Amino acid sequence: EPEVTQTPSHQVTQMGQEVILRCVPISNHLYFYWYRQILGQKVEFLVSFYNNEISEKSEIFDDQFSVERPDGSNFTLKIRSTKLEDSAMYFCASSEQGGGPIQETQYFGPGTRLLVL
Amino acid sequence: GQQLNQSPQSMFIQEGEDVSMNCTSSSIFNTWLWYKQDPGEGPVLLIALYKAGELTSNGRLTAQFGITRKDSFLNISASIPSDVGIYFCAGNNAGNMLTFGGGTRLMVKP
Repeated sequence: EPEVTQTPSHQVTQMGQEVILRCVPISNHLYFYWYRQILGQKVEFLVSFYNNEISEKSEIFDDQFSVERPDGSNFTLKIRSTKLEDSAMYFCASSEQGGGPIQETQYFGPGTRLLVL
Repeated sequence: GQQLNQSPQSMFIQEGEDVSMNCTSSSIFNTWLWYKQDPGEGPVLLIALYKAGELTSNGRLTAQFGITRKDSFLNISASIPSDVGIYFCAGNNAGNMLTFGGGTRLMVKP
């Protein structure tokens, strides 16, 4: 069964450093998403991406964050200058399309655990 | 923003027992989804509900989309040890953003 994959599974970085989290969405999906989950808390929406541009973003997704689809398979989340409070699990998700509720169902990757020291 | 209130926060049950958890919202959602998350893993979709009043089953799992579109419940029948995990409800409102509930942590005693 097709699945969303993410790399790396774990990342440790120093405060102020840039990190890039990578995702490979399900191959026939057109909508891509990033969510984060701070330890012990609920999953929070960051951003959605369609047709090479951001379609929606939350207040968490400030100008320290950016997303990119550099080629036909990868979808990346970049944090320019990490802060301690960026430590969290980051989940990528994808959905087939936006044409109806079934096609909008989002499937999640296993996540990248980011630790900022 | 929209909030989903999920209850209970945690449950500790005996293997074989039935489980029920629910989510409520002050605002309407067009789609309700139930996900399960194992430790260190991403949410895995269990059931998706697309119509108000819809009742859907997936094996031992049954979920319903409330008629007012403001609530949903998930039932697990005859629980087994591998049901252990955190169950999240999530709502989608004709946009791209999923709003998640706080989760129900289920623990099953063999």
